[in-house]
Amino acid sequence: AQKVTQAQTEISVVEKEDVTLDCVYETRDTTYYLFWYKQPPSGELVFLIRRNSFDEQNEISGRYSWNFQKSTSSFNFTITASQVVDSAVYFCALSEARRGSQGNLIFGKGTKLSVKP
Amino acid sequence: KAGVTQTPRYLIKTRGQQVTLSCSPISGHRSVSWYQQTPGQGLQFLFEYFSETQRNKGNFPGRFSGRQFSNSRSEMNVSTLELGDSALYLCASSPGGLGYNEQFFGPGTRLTVL
Repeated sequence: AQKVTQAQTEISVVEKEDVTLDCVYETRDTTYYLFWYKQPPSGELVFLIRRNSFDEQNEISGRYSWNFQKSTSSFNFTITASQVVDSAVYFCALSEARRGSQGNLIFGKGTKLSVKP
Repeated sequence: KAGVTQTPRYLIKTRGQQVTLSCSPISGHRSVSWYQQTPGQGLQFLFEYFSETQRNKGNFPGRFSGRQFSNSRSEMNVSTLELGDSALYLCASSPGGLGYNEQFFGPGTRLTVL
């Protein structure tokens, strides 16, 4: 069965601190996709990144970076120098490749990040 | 490009009623997926439509149904509403062609069942 675990339910940091959000996934497929989404209080899920199972290269985008390790089935997300605007719920998600389908996204329970000034 | 739009944004219904939610995907996107978000169960996949055909379905009872029109707009319907159907319903669109594309979400419809 496919599963995504975000063990951290809530994290609170002070502005400018670095913070890492953990994500561990389970799948039997060799081809799959991993995602991070941000959900601000407005409710809309904002796409942050997609990684496929064959690309373990880490990625950096501004203050955001992602560390994908197949050996530990983890796809962690780090925010450097956090800002108040980063406060949101962050979801890690998994999708298995299916011919003729976008597949469905299997979400973790989310990590609520609060960044205090 | 305009993003995914969902109407209405808020709905209040009573048990036993039925409800229809609407989703307009990003222009050019042909795949529309629906998700339910509740505090207890989190985000769960309902179904996906592509070119007016349902091509993937989550584990929800038959009271939940959907359809897609030729212009890719989609509706989902919930019949015989139960209290547990109170949730944020999110629609997502993607190009849906060959290969895999990320899904872009709308603001959601918050349904309250009394």
